[in-house]
Amino acid sequence: DQQVKQNSPSLSVQEGRISILNCDYTNSMFDYFLWYKKYPAEGPTFLISISSIKDKNEDGRFTVFLNKSAKHLSLHIVPSQPGDSAVYFCAANFNKFYFGSGTKLNVKP
Amino acid sequence: KAGVTQTPRYLIKTRGQQVTLSCSPISGHRSVSWYQQTPGQGLQFLFEYFSETQRNKGNFPGRFSGRQFSNSRSEMNVSTLELGDSALYLCASRRAQIQETQYFGPGTRLLVL
Repeated sequence: DQQVKQNSPSLSVQEGRISILNCDYTNSMFDYFLWYKKYPAEGPTFLISISSIKDKNEDGRFTVFLNKSAKHLSLHIVPSQPGDSAVYFCAANFNKFYFGSGTKLNVKP
Repeated sequence: KAGVTQTPRYLIKTRGQQVTLSCSPISGHRSVSWYQQTPGQGLQFLFEYFSETQRNKGNFPGRFSGRQFSNSRSEMNVSTLELGDSALYLCASRRAQIQETQYFGPGTRLLVL
């Protein structure tokens, strides 16, 4: 059973515009959510996290939003840069981490 | 502070052999998790160790096993390798199991011929 889903396998955005990556989950017990960025043949790099007691967390160009009633998590990147092109994974934690299947972001110059 | 390290980085084995991968967590981190990533797939959870005890296990056959030592370093072993075991194996560590960020190592790329 896939408890964390990223329904968009890919996203293409123009440089300077906003990138919005989405993630849905089913388990209301999840209490901690994270976003990772991954380049091919490398380990994922931690980007930003949010506790279930919050609905927003910002770190520079990255903002994560959590809508618990909708069981929905999103990552906003503003402004998007070509170096942001990578695969983005969302993850949710309850005892262990559950990962989405990833969204490949392409930021066009 | 040094990050998560994994050795070896690359490995080529043949079917039927066994392999052992090693992971050294960030200093002070007591939890180590292992994941498998195959082309086009997300991260598949293998198992998590905390204080030398396996705390969680994913849906992998018994050929996949692991252990954790008193210094929190962890090893993962795969016996009787199959072609489908070719993947990037990732190790991640965190301080504890509750609301703590998990940090990944660079991975070990295993190719089974």
